[in-house]
Amino acid sequence: KQEVTQIPAALSVPEGENLVLNCSFTDSAIYNLQWFRQDPGKGLTSLLLIQSSQREQTSGRLNASLDKSSGRSTLYIAASQPGDSATYLCAVSPWPPGNNRKLIWGLGTSLAVNP
Amino acid sequence: EPEVTQTPSHQVTQMGQEVILRCVPISNHLYFYWYRQILGQKVEFLVSFYNNEISEKSEIFDDQFSVERPDGSNFTLKIRSTKLEDSAMYFCASSESRDPGTGANVLTFGAGSRLTVL
Repeated sequence: KQEVTQIPAALSVPEGENLVLNCSFTDSAIYNLQWFRQDPGKGLTSLLLIQSSQREQTSGRLNASLDKSSGRSTLYIAASQPGDSATYLCAVSPWPPGNNRKLIWGLGTSLAVNP
Repeated sequence: EPEVTQTPSHQVTQMGQEVILRCVPISNHLYFYWYRQILGQKVEFLVSFYNNEISEKSEIFDDQFSVERPDGSNFTLKIRSTKLEDSAMYFCASSESRDPGTGANVLTFGAGSRLTVL
């Protein structure tokens, strides 16, 4: 059974720092991996998606890497800003994809960027 | 930017009562999902829906739960007789295609409906 774990559970950093959030999964048979952002009272916003055949994806100050064989992904946030404060969730879509693309989620990393 | 709309944002109900959570997916999307998140726990998949039928459901989605797309725009989740453990945030999501994981077909989530069962 696929399990997704995220470390650390919480992180507090001063503005401007570069930081790394970690995600690990127990079964390397995945279709893709996604990073989401969750703000209080808001929905889940997809940040980056990495297909199982890819090694990394970048969007602005965000870079996500995937090492499928070791069951790990990292989300790198460059030059963090207070507006980056949120909970970051990692989710994997199992292989084979079948008729559905259900996602299996980690518990998230709660990030606070202090001005 | 198109968005998924969920109502109500918060509902408080008594144990044993029926609850209907409503979602308006993005208009050209074909695949619909419900997820839930109990406070402090992981987001969990409940059900996926396509072509007016359930395509997959989790073991959480027992006989107390049902989904419906009554009028071609709304997508509803009904809990027939709520229990204390149904208290959670319920998220609706939609995607254009069967593969919500690639490119433009990433799932779009609503803001959630918080259900509190007393």
